[in-house]
Amino acid sequence: DSGVTQTPKHLITATGQRVTLRCSPRSGDLSVYWYQQSLDQGLQFLIQYYNGEERAKGNILERFSAQQFPDLHSELNLSSLELGDSALYFCASSAGTAGNTIYFGEGSWLTVV
Amino acid sequence: GNSVTQMEGPVTLSEEAFLTINCTYTATGYPSLFWYVQYPGEGLQLLLKATKADDKGSNKGFEATYRKETTSFHLEKGSVQVSDSAVYFCALKRDTGFQKLVFGTGTRLLVSP
Repeated sequence: DSGVTQTPKHLITATGQRVTLRCSPRSGDLSVYWYQQSLDQGLQFLIQYYNGEERAKGNILERFSAQQFPDLHSELNLSSLELGDSALYFCASSAGTAGNTIYFGEGSWLTVV
Repeated sequence: GNSVTQMEGPVTLSEEAFLTINCTYTATGYPSLFWYVQYPGEGLQLLLKATKADDKGSNKGFEATYRKETTSFHLEKGSVQVSDSAVYFCALKRDTGFQKLVFGTGTRLLVSP
């Protein structure tokens, strides 16, 4: 158990819909990262937050957004969903920014039908 | 930019065989290097890490040595078990600033009895 908690574990939704994925980082970790794992793209970095502020952005679509709240949990919002958004979405956390190991949650499986 | 190259899989071995999964990297500066493992239907787990040249990371019988001269971090295990069947990801993370993990494409290992 990495200590990173993600909900829901599985989600099936229709095209055009909007979903929210939730992540609780390890106790004391200030950085949260979101990654997408799909069959054709592999593991893609989406976005990173540190203590509530966005710090790095990767291949995140405009239809996707995220935030980190004062209690340090984070949410990834996916809207206008398309079939191609079906993937495993990982949240990860680390204590700081540089020089710390990143620990991953078990992921949220999203299926868009 | 930073990148990681892994040998393509699947790697198919019999139980108790010796395992090597090759990983090479390109990075500016001095990154930390990681191996993560993803068992079937599960999330990413940190397997081992090394933070500087000549460091050896080890865990559960797996080892990898940070070789700066060859920019490599090959994963080895002397005697694999069926339970080692999984996808193994090599990754790097720079230790300055707000740096994300950069993953290789993953190598699937299949161990038969």
